[in-house]
Amino acid sequence: DAGITQSPRHKVTETGTPVTLRCHQTENHRYMYWYRQDPGHGLRLIHYSYGVKDTDKGEVSDGYSVSRSKTEDFLLTLESATSSQTSVYFCAISRGGDGNTIYFGEGSWLTVV
Amino acid sequence: EDQVTQSPEALRLQEGESSSLNCSYTVSGLRGLFWYRQDPGKGPEFLFTLYSAGEEKEKERLKATLTKKESFLHITAPKPEDSATYLCAVQGRSQGNLIFGKGTKLSVKP
Repeated sequence: DAGITQSPRHKVTETGTPVTLRCHQTENHRYMYWYRQDPGHGLRLIHYSYGVKDTDKGEVSDGYSVSRSKTEDFLLTLESATSSQTSVYFCAISRGGDGNTIYFGEGSWLTVV
Repeated sequence: EDQVTQSPEALRLQEGESSSLNCSYTVSGLRGLFWYRQDPGKGPEFLFTLYSAGEEKEKERLKATLTKKESFLHITAPKPEDSATYLCAVQGRSQGNLIFGKGTKLSVKP
C-alpha cells in the first residue's frame, strides 16, 4: 500500500463540463504525478509536481491543469471535458531523484459522454 | 527520444511452463529501469528497479535482468495467479520522468 487515495474512483460526466480528480498521499513524498492509461498507448504522463506550488507539464498536458497547495494533495482539472479525455487516470508518488521508484494509486475511471 | 518496446504483446502459458518477457529500450543515459505488474482494474504494482547492465533481481518466481539494450523478466514455473499485464519503464537523464512500454499481457492456464 503506497498510501495514495484517489477520488472519485469512477465518474461519468458530460462533454464541456469541468472535472477535478483528487490525489491524496499520506507519506509526505515530494514528487506527485498524474498519468493516463489508454489501450494502445500505455501510461503517459500528464503533469507532475516537485513540491508545493511547483508543477510542470508532461507528455500529454493539453486540456489539463493541476494544482498542489499542500504536500499531500495533487489535483487534476479538466476545464472542459472532451470525449478524448475518457480514460483511466493514475496518480503516483515518488521521493524523486535517480532511479527512485514511482508508486501508483488505484486509478480513477472517467467517462465523458 | 527515449523509447520502450515490450514483446510479446500477449503471452499464454500453461502452468509450470517457464518463459521470458522482453523490454527493449533506447535512452540517453539510463537512470533506472522499472518493472511493474498490473491486474485488471488496479494500479501498477512495483516489482523491480534495475540500474546498470549485468544487474539481476529476483522475487518468488520472477527474475529481472538488464543489458545495455534490453531487460528480461523471466518467469519460472508460473502459476495462474501470475496472470497480469507486466509493464516496463525507463528513466533517462534527458527526460527525468518514466517512459512506459505498452505492456505484455500474461495468461497462465491451469
